[in-house]
Amino acid sequence: GENVEQHPSTLSVQEGDSAVIKCTYSDSASNYFPWYKQELGKRPQLIIDIRSNVGEKKDQRIAVTLNKTAKHFSLHITETQPEDSAVYFCAASAFGNEKLTFGTGTRLTIIP
Amino acid sequence: DAGVIQSPRHEVTEMGQEVTLRCKPISGHDYLFWYRQTMMRGLELLIYFNNNVPIDDSGMPEDRFSAKMPNASFSTLKIQPSEPRDSAVYFCASSRILNTGELFFGEGSRLTVL
Repeated sequence: GENVEQHPSTLSVQEGDSAVIKCTYSDSASNYFPWYKQELGKRPQLIIDIRSNVGEKKDQRIAVTLNKTAKHFSLHITETQPEDSAVYFCAASAFGNEKLTFGTGTRLTIIP
Repeated sequence: DAGVIQSPRHEVTEMGQEVTLRCKPISGHDYLFWYRQTMMRGLELLIYFNNNVPIDDSGMPEDRFSAKMPNASFSTLKIQPSEPRDSAVYFCASSRILNTGELFFGEGSRLTVL
C-alpha cells in the first residue's frame, strides 16, 4: 500500500517569512495529492490539491509543487501570517482509489 | 448544508464500557469515512463506505471495533469493550463521487477511556 512521509514534524517561522513542508510517497500509481489544514481543536480542511498532470499549482499565498520522478511534493506558504499557524497534512491516492493515505502532519507556528 | 455532523463531541467513559459514535454525512455524498487521530499515529483510516456498503475495513484495529451505515444519512462506529488505548479523536468524513477528491470532515468526537 501507499506510504506517505512528511517533514518536518514541527516548523516555526517568523511572520512574513516563507514556510515549506515536504512529503514523499511510495506508490508510483498515486496521482492525486491534497493538503489539509487543521487548526487547533478544529476539523481538517482542504486548502489545495494537485493532480499528476501538472507540476505546480498556486492559490494566493500557497502553492504546491510535484515531482513525480522523485515521488515528492511540497507545500509552500509565502508571507506567512499568524492565522497560518496550524497542523498541515499531506496525502496521496491513486485516482480511482478512494483511500487517501495521510502524512503524519507538520505543526506550523508563526512567530509574530 | 450543515456539513458533516458528528455526535457526541466529547465522550468520557470507563474501560470496558460500550461507546457509540454517530455521523450524518453531507446529503448527496456517496462516500463515508471513519478516521482516528492520535498524536502518535496521525490520521488513520478505519473504514469507508460507498453507497452504504462497507468497502474497506482493513484499518479497523480489532474485533472490538465495528461500523455500520444503515442508510445514506447515518453511520455509527462502535467500540465494545472500550480500552484506554482507544482514546483519540474520531473523525467522520464524506465525499461525493471520486472526481472531486475533497473530503469534508466533521468536527470530530473526542473519546477518553479511563
